[in-house]
Amino acid sequence: AQSVTQPDIHITVSEGASLELRCNYSYGATPYLFWYVQSPGQGLQLLLKYFSGDTLVQGIKGFEAEFKRSQSSFNLRKPSVHWSDAAEYFCAVGFRDMRFGAGTRLTVKP
Amino acid sequence: DTGVSQNPRHKITKRGQNVTFRCDPISEHNRLYWYRQTLGQGPEFLTYFQNEAQLEKSRLLSDRFSAERPKGSFSTLEIQRTEQGDSAMYLCASSQRGTPNEKLFFGSGTQLSVL
Repeated sequence: AQSVTQPDIHITVSEGASLELRCNYSYGATPYLFWYVQSPGQGLQLLLKYFSGDTLVQGIKGFEAEFKRSQSSFNLRKPSVHWSDAAEYFCAVGFRDMRFGAGTRLTVKP
Repeated sequence: DTGVSQNPRHKITKRGQNVTFRCDPISEHNRLYWYRQTLGQGPEFLTYFQNEAQLEKSRLLSDRFSAERPKGSFSTLEIQRTEQGDSAMYLCASSQRGTPNEKLFFGSGTQLSVL
């Protein structure tokens, strides 16, 4: 069965610092992988997705993620975090019956 | 692009009552999904439609839950005899099947509180 694990419930980084959010997945075939961001009162917004091809995926708002099949990981990165990046981040696998991780809450310190 | 619209934004009901939520997808999208999200958790898949056909249902969708998409446009999710455990955010999403980079667009959700 497909599943997603986000090991970090809450991460705090200083503004301008780099960020990496971890995601591990379990999936029987080549996975479709996604990262979504959710701000309070807002719907989920797609940051980036991996279907196939280049394992380093560029997304919106300066985010990128790298698919590593050997580690079953799809970690999200950003070189320099902005205060507006504070939100909840969800990794997801699958497609029609997408499975989400429990989320990582990002706090950005001034 | 008006986005995915969900109504109402908030619903408070008493245990045992029936509730119905509505989702209006992006107009040209033929796929529609329902998810449920509880506090501190990621969204959980409930069901999805392609046009008017309900193609998949999660085991989470008990007999008290029913979803319809009668004309392949808007969808309704009804919960009968609500229980306190039904309290959650109900999210709707839509997508267009067959596009090269098909992706889900989510609405802002309906927050249900069962007292």
